[in-house]
Amino acid sequence: GENVEQHPSTLSVQEGDSAVIKCTYSDSASNYFPWYKQELGKGPQLIIDIRSNVGEKKDQRIAVTLNKTAKHFSLHITETQPEDSAVYFCAAEGNAGGTSYGKLTFGQGTILTVHP
Amino acid sequence: DTGVSQDPRHKITKRGQNVTFRCDPISEHNRLYWYRQTLGQGPEFLTYFQNEAQLEKSRLLSDRFSAERPKGSFSTLEIQRTEQGDSAMYLCASRSSFWTQGDNSPLHFGNGTRLTVT
Repeated sequence: GENVEQHPSTLSVQEGDSAVIKCTYSDSASNYFPWYKQELGKGPQLIIDIRSNVGEKKDQRIAVTLNKTAKHFSLHITETQPEDSAVYFCAAEGNAGGTSYGKLTFGQGTILTVHP
Repeated sequence: DTGVSQDPRHKITKRGQNVTFRCDPISEHNRLYWYRQTLGQGPEFLTYFQNEAQLEKSRLLSDRFSAERPKGSFSTLEIQRTEQGDSAMYLCASRSSFWTQGDNSPLHFGNGTRLTVT
């Protein structure tokens, strides 16, 4: 089955700095890569996703890049704000018809702290 | 707000007791998922339904666990003879399978039920 590794496990930045979180996956058939933000006491919230037919996607201060050859993808947050502080999870899933379709496999999470 | 709803939010039970959790998915979503999350870890897949059919179960789902989605709307997850190792956050999520062919639709999570087994 799919295995997703995420690092770093903790990341501390100053407000206004950029933050980068990286993930690698094992199943070359995976083609869908969402990122989730989880705040204390809440469920994961989808913040951005990318499919294998694109290499980069951006939404305001958040961007995700994908390198299918190397099987890794990254989340980039620019101009960080204290409200960005949370746990971030990457995930991977195969496409319809594949053995890994239908369920996301998650990384272990990154605790991001943005200091004012 | 018509997001994924879970009930109860918290459940404390004694070892050996049975517990049942409920999930109401986003109304137009035909796929419903259960995940388990322990402290400091990412969510782990347990099972999922398409309409009322249970399509896949993880090996994490022991025979003490049973999930149902009788009418293809809400779902229940029951844990029988609870053990301390069952203490975790149980997350429900939903998505639509009616998406562009070959694409994966966004998966939306509820806020979970936190189970503590004493």
